[in-house]
Amino acid sequence: DAMVIQNPRYQVTQFGKPVTLSCSQTLNHNVMYWYQQKSSQAPKLLFHYYDKDFNNEADTPDNFQSRRPNTSFCFLDIRSPGLGDAAMYLCATSRVPARVEGYTFGSGTRLTVV
Amino acid sequence: KQEVTQIPAALSVPEGENLVLNCSFTDSAIYNLQWFRQDPGKGLTSLLLIQSSQREQTSGRLNASLDKSSGRSTLYIAASQPGDSATYLCAVARGYSTLTFGKGTMLLVSP
Repeated sequence: DAMVIQNPRYQVTQFGKPVTLSCSQTLNHNVMYWYQQKSSQAPKLLFHYYDKDFNNEADTPDNFQSRRPNTSFCFLDIRSPGLGDAAMYLCATSRVPARVEGYTFGSGTRLTVV
Repeated sequence: KQEVTQIPAALSVPEGENLVLNCSFTDSAIYNLQWFRQDPGKGLTSLLLIQSSQREQTSGRLNASLDKSSGRSTLYIAASQPGDSATYLCAVARGYSTLTFGKGTMLLVSP
């Protein structure tokens, strides 16, 4: 089945130690997104790639970076995780235009910062 | 700025009951509306997608309606089951990069 896969499902990192979360997709969608979701809150868009074009949300901290080496993979890098970065990180994909198929999400990576 | 509100924030019902979850949005210029399910500690599973030109979509025991002019959508769950217990999120899309979520309705169906 075509899908969005996130690894790992759970990630524990030390305060200030760089961490990378990964996302892959078999849908061949041209847009990939990273969302941050904290407890009992709505998912918040951090940034997205439209093909190779990177689009950062205005309020995304500089501590968060992303890479998309090819259509299938996208990575979220947190350069110096703080306790406030503990959250669920969701990867999503869509095709442009998204109006017909909507968005497909992965199972998420739960990040714990110790 | 688009705002999405979901009511109620939490709902507890006995098994077998029919129920309605509500979603409202402030800007009616949307491409589509999507209902998602999220189990605790998990990602989002798409339940139904309604395009802006459509009025409703059905999948099994789920029926979602859209009234774009009034900025409202409802998710109807028939004959609820304990396995339906989850948080249900409504999201509206305007443009490919602007998906705005509500905070969700936490549903508990008791046996």
